[in-house]
Amino acid sequence: DAEITQSPRHKITETGRQVTLACHQTWNHNNMFWYRQDLGHGLRLIHYSYGVQDTNKGEVSDGYSVSRSNTEDLPLTLESAASSQTSVYFCASSETGLAGTSTDTQYFGPGTRLTVL
Amino acid sequence: QKEVEQDPGPLSVPEGAIVSLNCTYSNSAFQYFMWYRQYSRKGPELLMYTYSSGNKEDGRFTAQVDKSSKYISLFIRDSQPSDSATYLCAMSGYSGGGADGLTFGKGTHLIIQP
Repeated sequence: DAEITQSPRHKITETGRQVTLACHQTWNHNNMFWYRQDLGHGLRLIHYSYGVQDTNKGEVSDGYSVSRSNTEDLPLTLESAASSQTSVYFCASSETGLAGTSTDTQYFGPGTRLTVL
Repeated sequence: QKEVEQDPGPLSVPEGAIVSLNCTYSNSAFQYFMWYRQYSRKGPELLMYTYSSGNKEDGRFTAQVDKSSKYISLFIRDSQPSDSATYLCAMSGYSGGGADGLTFGKGTHLIIQP
């Protein structure tokens, strides 16, 4: 079955270190997204991509970067981790299907819990 | 004012009750509306999807969208303890959650008491 996976599931790092979170999907979806989820804020969009070599900034992109070299993967990099980036990170993917169908929305991975000390 | 408002709860009801969950929004460009269910320490999973206004029913779940009032609802009939989770409303103005991703409510924590 097609799926979307994230790794690692848990990560503890120190302030100032570079961290990369992996996201891999086997849906063959064109669109991929990264969100962070924090208590009191809900899910907020960090970056998204509509295809290979395409990346776009979301609502809370400062301190994060992404690159899309193939359809299946969208790694998220924290250039210099800060305590404010302690959060749960979710990757999602979607295919722009026929408007009004259930394929026309996003499917989420299991999340990565990141702690920055 | 946030684009999407959702009461965080917790909302606690007895087993078998009808549950009503709601979101209001301010962006009139939204036309794709979703409800996600999220169990503790898991990723959100799509529960209901509605395009534009109207009702949609799937088993015990009914989603309603009233674009004129900018108000969406999720009803759960014959609620079960397994329905205990956080319910997130989400919406977008574009197909595939595209252009700028989905805009989420903060989620309502629902507890079904056995």
